[in-house]
Amino acid sequence: RKEVEQDPGPFNVPEGATVAFNCTYSNSASQSFFWYRQDCRKEPKLLMSVYSSGNEDGRFTAQLNRASQYISLLIRDSKLSDSATYLCVVNRGDSWGKLQFGAGTQVVVTP
Amino acid sequence: DVKVTQSSRYLVKRTGEKVFLECVQDMDHENMFWYRQDPGLGLRLIYFSYDVKMKEKGDIPEGYSVSREKKERFSLILESASTNQTSMYLCASTGPVPYEQYFGPGTRLTVT
Repeated sequence: RKEVEQDPGPFNVPEGATVAFNCTYSNSASQSFFWYRQDCRKEPKLLMSVYSSGNEDGRFTAQLNRASQYISLLIRDSKLSDSATYLCVVNRGDSWGKLQFGAGTQVVVTP
Repeated sequence: DVKVTQSSRYLVKRTGEKVFLECVQDMDHENMFWYRQDPGLGLRLIYFSYDVKMKEKGDIPEGYSVSREKKERFSLILESASTNQTSMYLCASTGPVPYEQYFGPGTRLTVT
């Protein structure tokens, strides 16, 4: 079983619509959670951290459910530029800042 | 802005060759990481380093070694390249916020 599991998609989303997707993680020692964004043939970049109480950053909302060990990302009013692969990332619970990456969920926003 | 650079964007090598991939960061970061990324598998940690001359194995170190002689530079070495090492290789570093990793642009390595 993968330590971080994501639906690979693609999620095809009309421009202006809302899309949401989850990931699950298996390491109960993980304390920090993130969404990274990776454009085609580019490097991953941090999109946002995920806090226990849930948090928003503009059109992006992240939620954490520790009991069920899943993280979600919701994108409102989708833009063409939101087309990317979204990587769910959790820390490994060690002191070195090592991260465990999911394989990513592909989102394609269409005109 | 943090900048992480990698020596090559694309590289083609033959089976059995020794391959050096270099990564340089300009932000005085302590921790540096090497990953490979394959479709459906995500990023897998090969090695990481938390200080000069210090290194730790990641999840898939077999067939690889690393070198960190200077703080800003972290090299990945494929001792004898094999076709199953064809992949995208990504270097990353972290600074004061330990979980925000800054990635280089990646090296797409093809071993024939």
